[in-house]
Amino acid sequence: DVKVTQSSRYLVKRTGEKVFLECVQDMDHENMFWYRQDPGLGLRLIYFSYDVKMKEKGDIPEGYSVSREKKERFSLILESASTNQTSMYLCASSLYFYGYTFGSGTRLTVV
Amino acid sequence: SQKIEQNSEALNIQEGKTATLTCNYTNYSPAYLQWYRQDPGRGPVFLLLIRENEKEKRKERLKVTFDTTLKQSLFHITASQPADSATYLCVPGGRDDKIIFGKGTRLHILP
Repeated sequence: DVKVTQSSRYLVKRTGEKVFLECVQDMDHENMFWYRQDPGLGLRLIYFSYDVKMKEKGDIPEGYSVSREKKERFSLILESASTNQTSMYLCASSLYFYGYTFGSGTRLTVV
Repeated sequence: SQKIEQNSEALNIQEGKTATLTCNYTNYSPAYLQWYRQDPGRGPVFLLLIRENEKEKRKERLKVTFDTTLKQSLFHITASQPADSATYLCVPGGRDDKIIFGKGTRLHILP
């Protein structure tokens, strides 16, 4: 089974801090994605990557950046955390643009 | 703009009965449609994909239909069990690799 591992389940950070969320997949998938999920809003795509060093903006990229230096690792960076970035962050990977495998999520609280 | 509508209210179904969840989409002509299950505090899990040229797909107790004329997919769980209680997400996609997650329907199977 494909496994997608997110480095933290829960994270508390202060406003203005630089935050790194790490995601690693073990199945040699080309595509990796970062979503955030908020009550009543569903999953919203932040960034995705279809190859090493490639990245594409999703629907809500503002305030975020990403890094994909190795195929198995996709990092989400909050350059200067703000309270409106408090959310559940979900990483996913896939071979095609369907059949995503998600990680367990990181619940980030910015205080 | 593209819209996905799933039952906005939670669905309560008696154990053993068939649960039917509805997904309607507008301003969109997806080449396929996916269904995911999500448990509280966890990432979604891929269940089924149905393509536009398939009317129906089955997997164990799950059945999905896809009506491109009505712009609707129905998701059925037969012989429902309390363990089926979760949120189910409808995810049309594929025409231009644009994937949109529905907000989901919360299903409660009552013992």
